Amino acid sequence: DSGVTQTPKHLITATGQRVTLRCSPRSGDLSVYWYQQSLDQGLQFLIQYYNGEERAKGNILERFSAQQFPDLHSELNLSSLELGDSALYFCASNLGAANTGELFFGEGSRLTVL
Amino acid sequence: DAKTTQPPSMDCAEGRAANLPCNHSTISGNEYVYWYRQIHSQGPQYIIHGLKNNETNEMASLIITEDRKSSTLILPHATLRDTAVYYCIVRVTNNDMRFGAGTRLTVKP
Repeated sequence: DSGVTQTPKHLITATGQRVTLRCSPRSGDLSVYWYQQSLDQGLQFLIQYYNGEERAKGNILERFSAQQFPDLHSELNLSSLELGDSALYFCASNLGAANTGELFFGEGSRLTVL
Repeated sequence: DAKTTQPPSMDCAEGRAANLPCNHSTISGNEYVYWYRQIHSQGPQYIIHGLKNNETNEMASLIITEDRKSSTLILPHATLRDTAVYYCIVRVTNNDMRFGAGTRLTVKP
């Protein structure tokens, strides 16, 4: 158990809909990362937050957005969903500044768009 | 961040050492080498990381060449449960962590 909690574990929805994925980082971790992994694809970095502020942005579509709240949990919002958005979405966390950077991953949220 | 090159797949016999290579010829002086693995569709798991010196922990050993342009992850006694995709990543600490395609290691009985 990494200490990172993601909900929901599974989600099935239709094209055009909007969903929100939630991530609770490990206790004390300030940094949250989001990744997308499509079927048989590698892990695509989407976005990173540190203590509520966006720190780095990767291949995140404009239809996707994220935020980190004062209690440090994070949400990834996916809108106008397309079939190609079906994927595993992973959240990871670590302490953030002044550490050697090991990431702790959650078990993922599997999104299926029909 | 520097890019890495790994073989797409490797096999290893159970009980033998698995040596997974990684090339990172453009690594910068302040970039660390990290190794993660992903078993099936689980969340990736941290294995080990290093800057210059060789490192060892309960899971594996990391050998970094003197010029830091390549490294090798060693699983000393591979088991069937070590079958996974292994990712080698170089990054400046606390920057975003970007994964490549990795090496799919299959441990065979």
